[in-house]
Amino acid sequence: TQLLEQSPQFLSIQEGENLTVYCNSSSVFSSLQWYRQEPGEGPVLLVTVVTGGEVKKLKRLTFQFGDARKDSSLHITAAQPGDTGLYLCAAGAGSYQLTFGKGTKLSVIP
Amino acid sequence: GAGVSQSPSNKVTEKGKDVELRCDPISGHTALYWYRQRLGQGLEFLIYFQGNSAPDKSGLPSDRFSAERTGESVSTLTIQRTQQEDSAVYLCASSFRGRTEAFFGQGTRLTVV
Repeated sequence: TQLLEQSPQFLSIQEGENLTVYCNSSSVFSSLQWYRQEPGEGPVLLVTVVTGGEVKKLKRLTFQFGDARKDSSLHITAAQPGDTGLYLCAAGAGSYQLTFGKGTKLSVIP
Repeated sequence: GAGVSQSPSNKVTEKGKDVELRCDPISGHTALYWYRQRLGQGLEFLIYFQGNSAPDKSGLPSDRFSAERTGESVSTLTIQRTQQEDSAVYLCASSFRGRTEAFFGQGTRLTVV
């Protein structure tokens, strides 16, 4: 069973600040996804990264997949209150079963 | 349908009763997942269906939990003799064959009193 470790577990920042959250494992993944979950909703896919070293940008969000495809980071520039939520990374390797990390709970204070 | 649909959205049941949760995946999605999310926690994998292959039941926490899926359509998750620790949000997700990107329903919030 793959283990995805996310850090930090909780993060509270002021509007306008930058932040980075991490997803790490000892396993190699064929792909990795990031999801955001808002209260009372299911997780929503933000991005999928496939290639080692890959960087993808989604407006103020920058996602990076490690060269060895074992880790990933999510960087948010100039955080907004609308970025508040639970950020989850998920990965599959070999089979298509998706394993999720425990998430980083982000609060952006206006 | 446009998205993954789960019912009921909320369920309150007495300890010891059986409950059945339903998931309608996105049409054409061959893979279906069930996850459990306790308050303030991440997603705990329960079971995975892929087409007509044998399901991966490795995440089911006890023999009180079971799930069925007919072909590539609706799935039901059944919890027998519910316990208070079963209280959680149960999330269903589906995906296309060969793809790991999952699309989630809004979940069923189960409260066992």
